[in-house]
Amino acid sequence: DVKVTQSSRYLVKRTGEKVFLECVQDMDHENMFWYRQDPGLGLRLIYFSYDVKMKEKGDIPEGYSVSREKKERFSLILESASTNQTSMYLCASSPPRQGTNYGYTFGSGTRLTVV
Amino acid sequence: DAKTTQPTSMDCAEGRAANLPCNHSTISGNEYVYWYRQIHSQGPQYIIHGLKNNETNEMASLIITEDRKSSTLILPHATLRDTAVYYCIVRVAHTGANSKLTFGKGITLSVRP
Repeated sequence: DVKVTQSSRYLVKRTGEKVFLECVQDMDHENMFWYRQDPGLGLRLIYFSYDVKMKEKGDIPEGYSVSREKKERFSLILESASTNQTSMYLCASSPPRQGTNYGYTFGSGTRLTVV
Repeated sequence: DAKTTQPTSMDCAEGRAANLPCNHSTISGNEYVYWYRQIHSQGPQYIIHGLKNNETNEMASLIITEDRKSSTLILPHATLRDTAVYYCIVRVAHTGANSKLTFGKGITLSVRP
């Protein structure tokens, strides 16, 4: 089975801290994604990467950056955490072409609280 | 990618079939229909996808109308563990920089004992 592993299930950080959320996949997938999910707003795409060192902004990239130095690892960075970044963060990976395969595989999520 | 419309919620009795509708009247010929679900406090899970033909796997069946403007996800024997938000997504087989998947609000299915 494809596994997408997020390093922490729960995380509490202070305002202004630099926060790293790590995601690792073990199926050699080219594409990786970071979403956040908030009540009433659904899943919103922050950033995605379709290859090593490549990244694309999603719908809400402000306040975030990403790093993809190795194919299996995609990191989400909160440069200076703020309380409005308290959320559930979900990582996903997928093969390069969607139509004839099994789509996205998501991790279990990291619930981040910024105090 | 084409927009989809789903009811906000529905319920069904345990052991009965759950039929979840989705409208995608602006779908293009090269767009696939995908279904995902999200159980509370977990990441979304892929269920099934199709282009034109009906599809079945161990989790569900996908029925796509002949004009492809709507589809129905069928859970043949719903259990309490099927209570979740179900997302219907329509998109082409993107590659590279166009690979992102956009989720709508989905439909909340409640399976009652």
